Amino acid sequence: GENVEQHPSTLSVQEGDSAVIKCTYSDSASNYFPWYKQELGKRPQLIIDIRSNVGEKKDQRIAVTLNKTAKHFSLHITETQPEDSAVYFCAASSNAGGTSYGKLTFGQGTILTVHP
Amino acid sequence: GAVVSQHPSRVICKSGTSVKIECRSLDFQATTMFWYRQFPKQSLMLMATSNEGSKATYEQGVEKDKFLINHASLTLSTLTVTSAHPEDSSFYICSASEDFTNYGYTFGSGTRLTVV
Repeated sequence: GENVEQHPSTLSVQEGDSAVIKCTYSDSASNYFPWYKQELGKRPQLIIDIRSNVGEKKDQRIAVTLNKTAKHFSLHITETQPEDSAVYFCAASSNAGGTSYGKLTFGQGTILTVHP
Repeated sequence: GAVVSQHPSRVICKSGTSVKIECRSLDFQATTMFWYRQFPKQSLMLMATSNEGSKATYEQGVEKDKFLINHASLTLSTLTVTSAHPEDSSFYICSASEDFTNYGYTFGSGTRLTVV
């Protein structure tokens, strides 16, 4: 099955700096890569996603890049703010057939702290 | 947008009793729903895939007789934790997708289960 590795596990930045979180995946059939922000005791919130037919996607201060050849994707947050502090998860899934169809596999998570 | 309702949000039960958690897709039909478990400071781990009208598919290491899943309609899946023990205390989250290829996943609000 799919295996998603996420780094770093913790990330501390100053307000206004950029933050980068990286993930690698193992299943070449994976073609959907969402990023979630989760606050304590809450459901994961989708912040951005990318599909395998594009290499980069941007939404205001947030961007995601995907390298299918190397099987890695990254989240970039620019001009960080204290309210960006949360746990961030990357994930991967595939719409190919078989037993893995639709399953979303999560990375281990990154605790991001933005200091004012 | 797609909404998934999950109940209860919190439950405390005694060891040995059973607890049922409901997951409903409110504005779309979900032939497949997914159940995750999240221990404190850890990632979301897929427990099982719930398929409408058929048996659930469990991930390796998840006891199917302990975590009973029923997906009797296109909008409702239930997870029953049977003979609960303190080690079953966790955050349980369901997710569903109208069409994850195009729309991604929607998560329920989660259930905090505490077994005493």
